[in-house]
Amino acid sequence: GAVVSQHPSRVICKSGTSVKIECRSLDFQATTMFWYRQFPKQSLMLMATSNEGSKATYEQGVEKDKFLINHASLTLSTLTVTSAHPEDSSFYICSARVAPGNTIYFGEGSWLTVV
Amino acid sequence: DQQVKQNSPSLSVQEGRISILNCDYTNSMFDYFLWYKKYPAEGPTFLISISSIKDKNEDGRFTVFLNKSAKHLSLHIVPSQPGDSAVYFCAASAETGRRALTFGSGTRLQVQP
Repeated sequence: GAVVSQHPSRVICKSGTSVKIECRSLDFQATTMFWYRQFPKQSLMLMATSNEGSKATYEQGVEKDKFLINHASLTLSTLTVTSAHPEDSSFYICSARVAPGNTIYFGEGSWLTVV
Repeated sequence: DQQVKQNSPSLSVQEGRISILNCDYTNSMFDYFLWYKKYPAEGPTFLISISSIKDKNEDGRFTVFLNKSAKHLSLHIVPSQPGDSAVYFCAASAETGRRALTFGSGTRLQVQP
């Protein structure tokens, strides 16, 4: 069964509005979660590393003021796309590392369409 | 600079035969490697992993081989089944998986019945 749950799976929002995507670890605590984005027919690109109780670490080229990440608890990280534009339309995926071992499991992904 | 490369965008094999998916990496700090299977508009599904202290790991029909000197790994699927048809991503991480994953561009596998 799924160990990482993501919601919503699909969302359509109007340009200029904000949308929040949730990523939850099921039955385990995740001190670190990762957010990826995938454009059609491209690879998954790491956006940021979400650290529980501290600021997220963003990859180069990712606007931290546009993609707000909050990791308020050990089981929940949220990604908020602020002032969304059509070019933000993409597939967003979160992941978390499951202990013991270092296998990283992914959520189901969230398809964002900005119209 | 692509640190993880999957040079074959697609692969087609007959049902029952072996599928071999290849992956090359350039970052010598990578020491943990994973393969994921992915369908469109879904999150990747973990298949198998290998750490750099090993050169082979097997799980059912899936075997991953690691050649550290060549910075090359491969995923073998035997026997291939139509349900294996998907995009396969190779991913690598440093510090024994504590770092975020770097993904290859994926290989689309099609298994013909």
